[in-house]
Amino acid sequence: EPEVTQTPSHQVTQMGQEVILRCVPISNHLYFYWYRQILGQKVEFLVSFYNNEISEKSEIFDDQFSVERPDGSNFTLKIRSTKLEDSAMYFCASSGTGSNYGYTFGSGTRLTVV
Amino acid sequence: RKEVEQDPGPFNVPEGATVAFNCTYSNSASQSFFWYRQDCRKEPKLLMSVYSSGNEDGRFTAQLNRASQYISLLIRDSKLSDSATYLCVVKLYGGSQGNLIFGKGTKLSVKP
Repeated sequence: EPEVTQTPSHQVTQMGQEVILRCVPISNHLYFYWYRQILGQKVEFLVSFYNNEISEKSEIFDDQFSVERPDGSNFTLKIRSTKLEDSAMYFCASSGTGSNYGYTFGSGTRLTVV
Repeated sequence: RKEVEQDPGPFNVPEGATVAFNCTYSNSASQSFFWYRQDCRKEPKLLMSVYSSGNEDGRFTAQLNRASQYISLLIRDSKLSDSATYLCVVKLYGGSQGNLIFGKGTKLSVKP
């Protein structure tokens, strides 16, 4: 079964540092997403990406965040200057076309900001 | 305003029991509906899409009532392996592919 791959599985960083979270979506999917889940909270949408540009973003996705598809396979989320409240599980997801097409999520990167 | 609201749980049931989860959503523009399951500290995994006519997948039955903005999931003959958090998810109409709005989830614990 095709899967979405995320690295690293766990990242510890100091407040104010930049982090890059990496994802390899399913190869024939066209839509890519980042979600996050703070411990004990619900999964929250950050950003969607299609055709090499952001198609939608949430209020959480402020100027500290950016996404990039640097080559044909990777999809990255960068947080420029991490804050304590950025500590969360970050999930990458991808989907094909069709409104009833569910998203496939990667196993996540647990980001801990200290 | 909670966009997707679920039973708070937890539900503690014996093996073999039938259990039902409910969910309501506030945005009438919601287009597609799903149930995901999430194991502790793992990613959400799609359990099933929910169709207007209702649909069944083995021991799992999902129902949708658009007029009441209500979604349900029924699990029959529950197994120990069904223990997880069940997430009600809606996709909003519009945008590229829209985006998924998650409920907070209902935790199910199936005991021997």
